[in-house]
Amino acid sequence: GGIITQTPKFLIGQEGQKLTLKCQQNFNHDTMYWYRQDSGKGLRLIYYSITENDLQKGDLSEGYDASREKKSSFSLTVTSAQKNEMAVFLCASSKGQGSEQYFGPGTRLTVL
Amino acid sequence: GDSVTQTEGPVTVSESESLIINCTYSATSIAYPNLFWYVRYPGEGLQLLLKVITAGQKGSSRGFEATYNKETTSFHLQKASVQESDSAVYYCALGDRQGGRALIFGTGTTVSVSP
Repeated sequence: GGIITQTPKFLIGQEGQKLTLKCQQNFNHDTMYWYRQDSGKGLRLIYYSITENDLQKGDLSEGYDASREKKSSFSLTVTSAQKNEMAVFLCASSKGQGSEQYFGPGTRLTVL
Repeated sequence: GDSVTQTEGPVTVSESESLIINCTYSATSIAYPNLFWYVRYPGEGLQLLLKVITAGQKGSSRGFEATYNKETTSFHLQKASVQESDSAVYYCALGDRQGGRALIFGTGTTVSVSP
């Protein structure tokens, strides 16, 4: 088994602020993902990475940067936080891109 | 394009009643779809409930079943007799067995089971 940890659990920032969310996995999975989930809606893919130092844009990448400096970690940066970005951000990992994904507990972002 | 459509919630059922959550998919660019149901129980993270990677096969877990129907492009989730502990949000998802992209999720269906 394995686990995905996300930090912080709650993130509060000011409008326009740059904010970073972190994710670690110990599954030894190659592929990692960042999703955004707005209240009452489905998951939307922001970025994913199929290996260390690889980055692939998802449908919602504008306004975000990502970094995969090592296999076990994947970070997401909100470049300029906006109030309409308040959501839960979910990190996931999988063995391959079409395989089942394992999810972290999420980071809830609040923008003041 | 590729997409997933599932029953809009919320869905309310009484304990011991049957439940079906419809899921249909469009896989125009995916030759070999993998299909998944994920669940989020209150206070917990999103977790895999079941998966099926071969058309015509059925997956099952925790009393839930879903059959991958390639003809109708459907993957409906069913349970014959629900319990209060089945109250959760259920997500249908579509993947590509040959890789090349991330999973596509439906918008989720909130199920409440009343005692």
